[in-house]
Amino acid sequence: QSALTQPASVSGSPGQSVTISCIGTSNDIGAYDYVSWYQHHPGKAPKLIIFDVNNRPSGSSDRFSGSKSGTTASLAVSGLRAEDEAHYYCTSYASGSTPVVFGGGTKLTVL
Amino acid sequence: EVHLLESGGGLVQPGGSLRLSCEGSGFIFSVYAMTWVRQAPGKGLEWVSTIGGGGTRTYDADSVRGRFTISRDNSKDTAYLQMNDLRHEDTAVYYCARGVGVLANSRYFDNWGQGVLVTVSS
Repeated sequence: QSALTQPASVSGSPGQSVTISCIGTSNDIGAYDYVSWYQHHPGKAPKLIIFDVNNRPSGSSDRFSGSKSGTTASLAVSGLRAEDEAHYYCTSYASGSTPVVFGGGTKLTVL
Repeated sequence: EVHLLESGGGLVQPGGSLRLSCEGSGFIFSVYAMTWVRQAPGKGLEWVSTIGGGGTRTYDADSVRGRFTISRDNSKDTAYLQMNDLRHEDTAVYYCARGVGVLANSRYFDNWGQGVLVTVSS
């Protein structure tokens, strides 16, 4: 069981928008503004797409945006494209003996 | 350009050992914490171990504590994961990732290697 809870799957048609939620606790998402999101295509290295809740690294599409409210973080993907089909993972800085916690991952399907 | 290259994976019997390496290039290796993350077949990403840039502070997931040891040699720009007493459930692709943060506490992982497969089977 993952420390952060994500939906197993979401889907949308090309051009539409989808949102992926990531539910944590007061020891991780609720305590720090250090939520990051990763896109993972099968057989490839995971790619950072959002860091520190709502910042995009260089090379990350502006169709990705992040937000946080309380102990829940969200990733929004707008203008869906076929290449967005992948798994998406959230992570958060955490207190205690585990410095980082991961979500279980969400499979985004572009219909 | 930042590059991380893992090596050392392979097939090992239950109870056996393996050492993974992660060589970094294109950045000052000693400045960054390094983390190992794995993905078992059909499963999601799982944090395994993290080591601070200086090599003195380490963290391990409960699932590997006492069996896996993370270390680094900054003179060789390389991080290691020594895996002992391997179990079937350790079968996974192992990724190394560069952490951005303070000491061994990473806010996020901005660069990842391509991964190396470890298979534990008799």
